[in-house]
Amino acid sequence: QSVLTQPPSVSGAPGQRVTIPCTGSSSNIGAGSDVHWYQQLPGTAPKLLIYGNNNRPSGVPDRFSGSKSGASASLAITGLQADDETDYYCQSYDSSLSGWVFGGGTKLTVL
Amino acid sequence: EVQLLESGGGLVQPGGSLRLSCAASGFTFSTYAMGWVRQAPGKGLEWVSLISGSGGGTYYADAVKGRFTISRDNSKNTLYLQMNSLRAEDTAVYYCAKLRGLRLNTWHFDYWGQGALVTVSS
Repeated sequence: QSVLTQPPSVSGAPGQRVTIPCTGSSSNIGAGSDVHWYQQLPGTAPKLLIYGNNNRPSGVPDRFSGSKSGASASLAITGLQADDETDYYCQSYDSSLSGWVFGGGTKLTVL
Repeated sequence: EVQLLESGGGLVQPGGSLRLSCAASGFTFSTYAMGWVRQAPGKGLEWVSLISGSGGGTYYADAVKGRFTISRDNSKNTLYLQMNSLRAEDTAVYYCAKLRGLRLNTWHFDYWGQGALVTVSS
């Protein structure tokens, strides 16, 4: 059971918009800890997608965006493309655990 | 270009030990915190351990506390993870990652190595 909760899977048609939620608690996201998102293609290392709730590293398309409200956050992907089909993880810091935590991961399927 | 290259993975029996290394290049190593994140086969990401840039601060997940030791040699631009009393549930790909952020609750992993597979089995 992950400290941050993500749905196991989401899906959308090409060109559509999908969101992936990440639900935390008062000891992590709700306590003001930043939320970050990673994309992991099969057989490869994770790649930073969004940092500091809503910032994109250089090279990440503006189709990807992040938001945070209260103890939850979400990743939005617009203009879905076939190669967006992979796994996505949220990450934050938990003050009760004194450590960094990940969501369980969400597999995005492009229909 | 930031590069992180892990080594030292392999097959080890339960109760055994293994040391992972991560050679870093392309950035001022001593300036940044570094960490280890693992991924069991078919599972999600799990933070394992983290060390500050100077090496003066170390952090561990409860699952590995007392068994794993993180360290770094800033003169060699290398990060280490000494793993003792290994268990079957420690079987995973271990990723070395560079941290970025101003405070603990903003730290995130901006660059990752390719990973090293550790298999604990008799």
